[in-house]
Amino acid sequence: AQKVTQAQTEISVVEKEDVTLDCVYETRDTTYYLFWYKQPPSGELVFLIRRNSFDEQNEISGRYSWNFQKSTSSFNFTITASQVVDSAVYFCALNNFNKFYFGSGTKLNVKP
Amino acid sequence: KAGVTQTPRYLIKTRGQQVTLSCSPISGHRSVSWYQQTPGQGLQFLFEYFSETQRNKGNFPGRFSGRQFSNSRSEMNVSTLELGDSALYLCASSLRGVTSGSTDTQYFGPGTRLTVL
Repeated sequence: AQKVTQAQTEISVVEKEDVTLDCVYETRDTTYYLFWYKQPPSGELVFLIRRNSFDEQNEISGRYSWNFQKSTSSFNFTITASQVVDSAVYFCALNNFNKFYFGSGTKLNVKP
Repeated sequence: KAGVTQTPRYLIKTRGQQVTLSCSPISGHRSVSWYQQTPGQGLQFLFEYFSETQRNKGNFPGRFSGRQFSNSRSEMNVSTLELGDSALYLCASSLRGVTSGSTDTQYFGPGTRLTVL
């Protein structure tokens, strides 16, 4: 079975707080790809990152960072010094060439 | 450079009808993928096209079909509409596609909101 679990349905933080969005995946494949997407209130999905299963290096892009740990099948996403514009629904996804699975999403509310 | 465009943006149909949605990718992109988003099922992958060939398909019934033209524009068709087909349909374009193992960035369109009455 393959699936993606985002256990946090909704998170609320105050601006400038750090926040981590969790993503746990299941797959029997050794080659797979993990993604994070952002969906702001406007509804348009925004691609954030793609990571392949052979690359466990953490990634940092500005205030965003991703922690990929195969040992725990997790691909967590951290926003440092959150801003109101970070308010959105964030989706984690798993792809193994043939299939594509999305998590149910985590709604992040960043309050001023 | 123009982004991904989807037409129409909103559509209302009745059960049993058929609908065609269109997606124009970013110039130079050869891959288009389609997704369905509903409150109940969340985001689901429909299919991906690359150079006019369907590369992968999600777990949807045969009523959902698509095609891609030589200019990379893609259409998605849903026949015999059901109430459960009411959803936001998103398309994304990339140079080579996301199910190919490439490292491309996907760019999404604004979506077509389909309501089936």
